[in-house]
Amino acid sequence: GENVEQHPSTLSVQEGDSAVIKCTYSDSASNYFPWYKQELGKGPQLIIDIRSNVGEKKDQRIAVTLNKTAKHFSLHITETQPEDSAVYFCAASIGTGTASKLTFGTGTRLQVTL
Amino acid sequence: DGGITQSPKYLFRKEGQNVTLSCEQNLNHDAMYWYRQDPGQGLRLIYYSQIVNDFQKGDIAEGYSVSREKKESFPLTVTSAQKNPTAFYLCASSTQTGNYGYTFGSGTRLTVV
Repeated sequence: GENVEQHPSTLSVQEGDSAVIKCTYSDSASNYFPWYKQELGKGPQLIIDIRSNVGEKKDQRIAVTLNKTAKHFSLHITETQPEDSAVYFCAASIGTGTASKLTFGTGTRLQVTL
Repeated sequence: DGGITQSPKYLFRKEGQNVTLSCEQNLNHDAMYWYRQDPGQGLRLIYYSQIVNDFQKGDIAEGYSVSREKKESFPLTVTSAQKNPTAFYLCASSTQTGNYGYTFGSGTRLTVV
């Protein structure tokens, strides 16, 4: 089955700096790559996603890049703010017209310091 | 507002007891999922269901059971056979067709006492 690896496990940045989280996947048939943000005691929330026919996608301060050849994708957060502090999960799935089954990475705890 | 509701938020279980975690959604989603979250291990899939009256085992189904009698509901029972049930349990739902992200509930924290 699919295996998703995520690095780093913890990341500390100063407010205003950029943060980058990287993931690799094993199954070349995977075609959907969402990112989730989880705040303490809450369920994960989808923040951005990308499909295999696109190399990059941006939404304000958040961007995701995908390299299908290398089978890796990354989350980029610019101008970080204290409210960006949370655990971030990447995921991958193979969509074939039925419900997708996501495989998640192990998470990155991002701490934005003042 | 549409969403997915998990209850209770906190649950305590004695050794040898079965407990049932509730998950209800009003998003009209066909697919529903149960994940277990442990520190440093990400989210691991327990069971999932793509349509009513059908469900499949995930990666860590041993010691758990589910039912899907209604589209809106996907309860998870943690049985006494589950050796280490203390964890944070997350329910999610998604549309069946296409390839879209999940909507998660707010989770249930289960503690064995």
